[in-house]
Order: sequence, then C-alpha cells, then structure tokens
Amino acid sequence: DIRMTQSPSSVSASVGGRVTITCRASQGISSWLTWYQQKPGKAPKVLIFAASSLQSGVPSRFSGSESGTEFTLTISSLQPDDFATYYCQQAHSFPLTFGGGTKVEIK
Amino acid sequence: QVQLVQPGAEVKKPGASVKISCKASHYTFTTYYIHWVRQAPGQGLEWMGMINPSGGSTTYAQKFQGRVTMTRDTSTSTVYMELSSLRSEDTAVYYCLPAVAGPTWFDSWGQGTLVTVSS
Repeated sequence: DIRMTQSPSSVSASVGGRVTITCRASQGISSWLTWYQQKPGKAPKVLIFAASSLQSGVPSRFSGSESGTEFTLTISSLQPDDFATYYCQQAHSFPLTFGGGTKVEIK
Repeated sequence: QVQLVQPGAEVKKPGASVKISCKASHYTFTTYYIHWVRQAPGQGLEWMGMINPSGGSTTYAQKFQGRVTMTRDTSTSTVYMELSSLRSEDTAVYYCLPAVAGPTWFDSWGQGTLVTVSS
C-alpha cells in the first residue's frame, strides 16, 4: 500500500497569512494527488486534483505543487472560511489512501 | 446531476452486521463505480473498497477483506455495503461515492451514514 504522510498535523495562522501543507508518498504516484478541505460536520470537498489543477469554483489562493514524491498545498492569503482540516489522497493505485489530515486553526 | 442517497444513521450492537444502502438517481446506474469511504469521529478518511455496478465486481481494502460485502441491485439502482462483526471502532460516517473506473478521486460527496456501534 502507498503510505501518505501529511505534515504538520495542525498549524495556527492568522487571517492573511500563508499556509503550506506537505504530503509525502511512500512511492512514486506521478501527479495523482488530490487535496480536500473538510469543515466540521461536513463532507470533504475537492480543492486540487492531479497535484496542481484547481477544481472549478475553488479560489485561486489555493495552489498545489509537486516535487518527486512530495506534494504541497499552499494557501496564499488565509481567509476566515479557510479554517478547516485538509487531507491529501493518492489516486495512483489501489488501495486508495489518504494522509492523516492537517487542521488549520486561527492564530 | 449525480445523486446518491443514503440513510442518515444506523445503530448496531457489537458483533452485529450493518447493511447500508446507497440509491443512485439522475444518471445511468452503470456509468460510475461506487466506492465506500469511512471516517471515524475526529479521525481521517479510510477507503474501504468499490463495486462496479455494471457487472458487480468488487475490490476491497485488505483491512476489510472477509468482513465487508458490497453488492448492487440494478433493478432499483441501489448499491449496498454490509460490514459484519461490528466493533466500537467501526463507529464512523460511511460515504458512498461515485467515480470513474480506475484509481481516482472523489468530487461528489453526500451526507453519509453515521453508524454507531454501541452496547
């Protein structure tokens, strides 16, 4: 199974600040990496697919990048609506696997 | 627009089984595979497996092999996920998710079914 190691598990940031979340795959997954945002009591929502493609309707302050087996989600200017938990997921092979999540909290 | 409807909640005792329905509408039932992903309270997301509604073939995560069964009823456009030998750790929200064939991601999430396992 491909293990997805996400870091940090939580991060505190101020409105307007920049946040970077990392996800490392235990083996190569090409660009088959998706980022989700989840708010309390709600289902996850796709932000980024194929490592760097912005899902329709998602604000451009969200961006994704990759370097080998390391993937990064960046929120360039944190907004109040962005405080949530973020998950990565590899879509390269079965079983599909998720990172452990990163909770973005208000500083 | 793809729509999958699940029951809101189930309560089961340890050792029992739960069978969750997932009724599809507004699209051709055999178009999308149906995956099941669960999330325990305060925990992350876990992929359980998938079924191809067209032929009924299934792929299960090894963790659930022997304990999970996914089936479909084409006459009612419904997929079922049965999990047996329930324990408290199975308390979670269970989501059925439509997706194209092959490894993929999920861009259409419903409200899920909360399964509570408690004596």
